[in-house]
Amino acid sequence: AQSVTQLGSHVSVSEGALVLLRCNYSSSVPPYLFWYVQYPNQGLQLLLKYTSAATLVKGINGFEAEFKKSETSFHLTKPSAHMSDAAEYFCAVSNQGGKLIFGQGTELSVKP
Amino acid sequence: EAGVAQSPRYKIIEKRQSVAFWCNPISGHATLYWYQQILGQGPKLLIQFQNNGVVDDSQLPKDRFSAERLKGVDSTLKIQPAKLEDSAVYLCASSLLGDTQYFGPGTRLTVL
Repeated sequence: AQSVTQLGSHVSVSEGALVLLRCNYSSSVPPYLFWYVQYPNQGLQLLLKYTSAATLVKGINGFEAEFKKSETSFHLTKPSAHMSDAAEYFCAVSNQGGKLIFGQGTELSVKP
Repeated sequence: EAGVAQSPRYKIIEKRQSVAFWCNPISGHATLYWYQQILGQGPKLLIQFQNNGVVDDSQLPKDRFSAERLKGVDSTLKIQPAKLEDSAVYLCASSLLGDTQYFGPGTRLTVL
C-alpha cells in the first residue's frame, strides 16, 4: 500500500527566507510523486512531479523538489519565499496512472 | 486550453436531501476522477473512470453515493440521502495519459 506523510501541518517563514516542506512516502512499486498547491477556495494546482527521470525536479514559481529513494523523501524547497506563496501544499504519490494518495497538507504562512 | 469545469461552486442542503455535482474534464482526457476533501485533510479518491467505465470505486460509499460518466466525457456525482459528514469539497480531476491529474475548482458542500 502507498502512503504519504507530511511533517508539519503549519510552517511559517519570513519573506525572503528559505521554504522547506517535508514529505516522506511509502510505496511498494516505483512511485510517481507530486506536489500540489491549493489557494483558498480553489482547486489544486500542480507545482511539480517526479516520474522516474531526473531526481531533482524543477517546478513552477521557483519551487523544486529532490527525490531521495534511500530516504523515501520528496521535500519541496524554494530559496526565497514570497508573500504570494502563502497557501496549502499537498504531497501525493501514485502508482503510475492510478489514484493519487495525498498527505494531510502543510499550510505555509509568509510573514512580511 | 480550457481547464476542468465544475458546477455548482457552492451548495448548502439539509441532511437527508439529495444533491448532484457536475464535471466537464479537459477535452480529450480519457481518465476522470472524483475526490472528496474534508476540511483539514488531503483529498481522497471516491471514483475513477477510464472513458465511461469504472476503474476504481473502492472508496465510494455506494449506499448513498453514485456517479456516472455518460459518453466518456461529462460526469455527475450524486449523494442521496446526504449526511452531515458529507460536508466537504468535491474535486474533479482529469488526466490524458494517467500520469498528471488536473483539478477543477471544486464544489463546496455544506450539509445542515
